[in-house]
Amino acid sequence: EAGVVQSPRYKIIEKKQPVAFWCNPISGHNTLYWYLQNLGQGPELLIRYENEEAVDDSQLPKDRFSAERLKGVDSTLKIQPAELGDSAVYLCASSLGYRGLNTGELFFGEGSRLTVL
Amino acid sequence: RKEVEQDPGPFNVPEGATVAFNCTYSNSASQSFFWYRQDCRKEPKLLMSVYSSGNEDGRFTAQLNRASQYISLLIRDSKLSDSATYLCVVYNYGQNFVFGPGTRLSVLP
Repeated sequence: EAGVVQSPRYKIIEKKQPVAFWCNPISGHNTLYWYLQNLGQGPELLIRYENEEAVDDSQLPKDRFSAERLKGVDSTLKIQPAELGDSAVYLCASSLGYRGLNTGELFFGEGSRLTVL
Repeated sequence: RKEVEQDPGPFNVPEGATVAFNCTYSNSASQSFFWYRQDCRKEPKLLMSVYSSGNEDGRFTAQLNRASQYISLLIRDSKLSDSATYLCVVYNYGQNFVFGPGTRLSVLP
């Protein structure tokens, strides 16, 4: 069975340019997460979806970041415009769970490494 | 104060050594606890869940002290392949998985 798939794996852009990351979770996983991970730090949540509903986007910088999961399956995270400080790894994860009940295991994709010049 | 804190590391230990990692969390309502492992430039993967009574998986032992809001991971007989970053993770029902900053372990030959 395929795991969480993310693309692109690497992206280098100049500041003020837009960038988008795509994630396809494990089939049947209704909960999807986008995390940001800086070097030497743990992942930090940006947004969590249950099906197509964004149930927690409190940590998403909404002035430049947006996300969608229109059909409750795959998801896109967009940054526009990108800033130097956005250089990081963007991790997508999925899990089985609904309305707060969760199996307790997150399955991560390999991540999208963004470099902003 | 961060919600989940860990030993800053890095830990450099010889093969065969026993090493312990500590983690504290600030939300007393936290209900589930985990250790994840992250290899260099790879994604985090679940190592083990942490149960109130403590639990063991081969060379790995996890302990939870709810009163002190403290979690530990003990690795016995360290192998070169144990070299990685170990992430303490706390989950609150209806909320999110919160990751600590991680503790890096290097097992030396």
